[in-house]
Amino acid sequence: AQSVTQLDSHVSVSEGTPVLLRCNYSSSYSPSLFWYVQHPNKGLQLLLKYTSAATLVKGINGFEAEFKKSETSFHLTKPSAHMSDAAEYFCVVSVDTGGFKTIFGAGTRLFVKA
Amino acid sequence: EPEVTQTPSHQVTQMGQEVILRCVPISNHLYFYWYRQILGQKVEFLVSFYNNEISEKSEIFDDQFSVERPDGSNFTLKIRSTKLEDSAMYFCASSLDRGRTDTQYFGPGTRLTVL
Repeated sequence: AQSVTQLDSHVSVSEGTPVLLRCNYSSSYSPSLFWYVQHPNKGLQLLLKYTSAATLVKGINGFEAEFKKSETSFHLTKPSAHMSDAAEYFCVVSVDTGGFKTIFGAGTRLFVKA
Repeated sequence: EPEVTQTPSHQVTQMGQEVILRCVPISNHLYFYWYRQILGQKVEFLVSFYNNEISEKSEIFDDQFSVERPDGSNFTLKIRSTKLEDSAMYFCASSLDRGRTDTQYFGPGTRLTVL
């Protein structure tokens, strides 16, 4: 079975400090991995995705994530948090099991303090 | 930048009533989806739709639910005889293609409250 675990339900950082949002997955199939962000009253916006090319993926707004197969992880990082980064972040796995499955993590709410 | 839109943003209904949630996918996309998120729980896949028919559905998507593309732009989710446990945020999404690498673009969601 496929699953996604976001290890922190809430993360709080100060503006200008690094951000780390953790995601682990479990899959018997080759996964694609996505990070989405949701700001209040907005749709889920794609930050970045991994689809089996480069393991270090750069996304929008200075975010990046590294696919580590040995650790089954796809953690999201940003060197310096900005107030506008405060939002809910979702790690998502997509696999082809003969039918396509899209599995969401529970989400991590990022708080950014001034 | 093209967006997926959803209406209404909030819907309150009485138990047993029928509701229709509406979505306008991105115009050149071919695949459409509905997801739901019950408060405090994960986002769950409900159904995918392609070429005017359901291509995949989860065990949640039972006879109470139906989807339709009534015209060239709208994609709807109908819930018949709503139950308290149908209260959730419902997200519509669309994609150009359907594969594990294809990006789904999500709308802002409709919050459904069943009283």
